[in-house]
Amino acid sequence: GENVEQHPSTLSVQEGDSAVIKCTYSDSASNYFPWYKQELGKRPQLIIDIRSNVGEKKDQRIAVTLNKTAKHFSLHITETQPEDSAVYFCAASRRTGANNLFFGTGTRLTVIP
Amino acid sequence: DGGITQSPKYLFRKEGQNVTLSCEQNLNHDAMYWYRQDPGQGLRLIYYSQIVNDFQKGDIAEGYSVSREKKESFPLTVTSAQKNPTAFYLCASSISAGTDTQYFGPGTRLTVL
Repeated sequence: GENVEQHPSTLSVQEGDSAVIKCTYSDSASNYFPWYKQELGKRPQLIIDIRSNVGEKKDQRIAVTLNKTAKHFSLHITETQPEDSAVYFCAASRRTGANNLFFGTGTRLTVIP
Repeated sequence: DGGITQSPKYLFRKEGQNVTLSCEQNLNHDAMYWYRQDPGQGLRLIYYSQIVNDFQKGDIAEGYSVSREKKESFPLTVTSAQKNPTAFYLCASSISAGTDTQYFGPGTRLTVL
């Protein structure tokens, strides 16, 4: 099965700085990579996703990059704000059959005002 | 994701008791999923269902059971055979098994006393 590793487990940045979270995956057949944001005690919310036919996707202050050869993908948050503080999860799936998502272990991001 | 509800929000159970967690969606989604979340870990798949009257085991199905008698509902029973049931349980759904985006419910926090 798929194995997704995520680093770092915790990340603290000053407000306005950038934050980068990295994930690697093991199954070369994986072709869909979503990122979820989870605030304390709340449900995970999809913030951005990328498919294997593109290398980068942006949505305002958030961007995701994908390197299929190296089997890793990253989340970039620019101009961080205190409300960005949360746990972020990466995931990978094949988008076929059961569409099972395999999740990383999460990164707790703290943005210091 | 506002169309997925879970109840109750908090649940307490005595050892040796079975308990059922509710998950309902009004999004007309075919596929539904149950995940377990423990501190410091990512989400792990318990069971999933691609269509009514069908469901499959995920990575950690032991000690759990599900049913899918209606498209809108996918209840999860935590049985006394589950050795460490205290966790945060999340239900999710997607349009179909082959569609990417999974939307999560608000979760149920189960505590075994």
